[in-house]
Amino acid sequence: GQNIDQPTEMTATEGAIVQINCTYQTSGFNGLFWYQQHAGEAPTFLSYNVLDGLEEKGRFSSFLSRSKGYSYLLLKELQMKDSASYLCAVRENNAGNMLTFGGGTRLMVKP
Amino acid sequence: DAGVTQSPTHLIKTRGQHVTLRCSPISGHKSVSWYQQVLGQGPQFIFQYYEKEERGRGNFPDRFSARQFPNYSSELNVNALLLGDSALYLCASTSLQTYEQYFGPGTRLTVT
Repeated sequence: GQNIDQPTEMTATEGAIVQINCTYQTSGFNGLFWYQQHAGEAPTFLSYNVLDGLEEKGRFSSFLSRSKGYSYLLLKELQMKDSASYLCAVRENNAGNMLTFGGGTRLMVKP
Repeated sequence: DAGVTQSPTHLIKTRGQHVTLRCSPISGHKSVSWYQQVLGQGPQFIFQYYEKEERGRGNFPDRFSARQFPNYSSELNVNALLLGDSALYLCASTSLQTYEQYFGPGTRLTVT
């Protein structure tokens, strides 16, 4: 089985930088996903990390350390529209395309 | 290119009824997965289908079943609905080249 932990809620200011952490325990890691989900909508794909290191996509970056079972999503130059839930999900070996999700981090961006 | 599509968008059923939800994956994607998301929680895996065969099943009762058609579209069926089945049902399609998984808009099911 898997255990995925991320903070329940975070608050940040428009224009600032925020880091959302995710820790996981798994028997056979095979990739970590980050999704953004606005209230009442479906999750939107942000990133997929399978190797250690930082991957940058515009204002969003995702980092992975497999040895530490740790990832973070970094959001720069925060905008009000970034207020959403951010979901961390892990894919395991021998589990096909099944993703196991954390409970999500609800980010509120304030002016 | 069209993304993942799902129908219907919303559905209201009463306890004991059955429901069929439909999903079409992104063109070229052959793998479809179904998830249930209860309000305030992350999605929970229900099924994965690839090439019309079940390749994974989550911890859901036998009231839940699914199938995949030759065109890679999929149906999720839920029998003997319970109040607790009220949720957002998400379909995801996976690229077997990149393993990136994309979600459809979901079907919001309300059981009364």
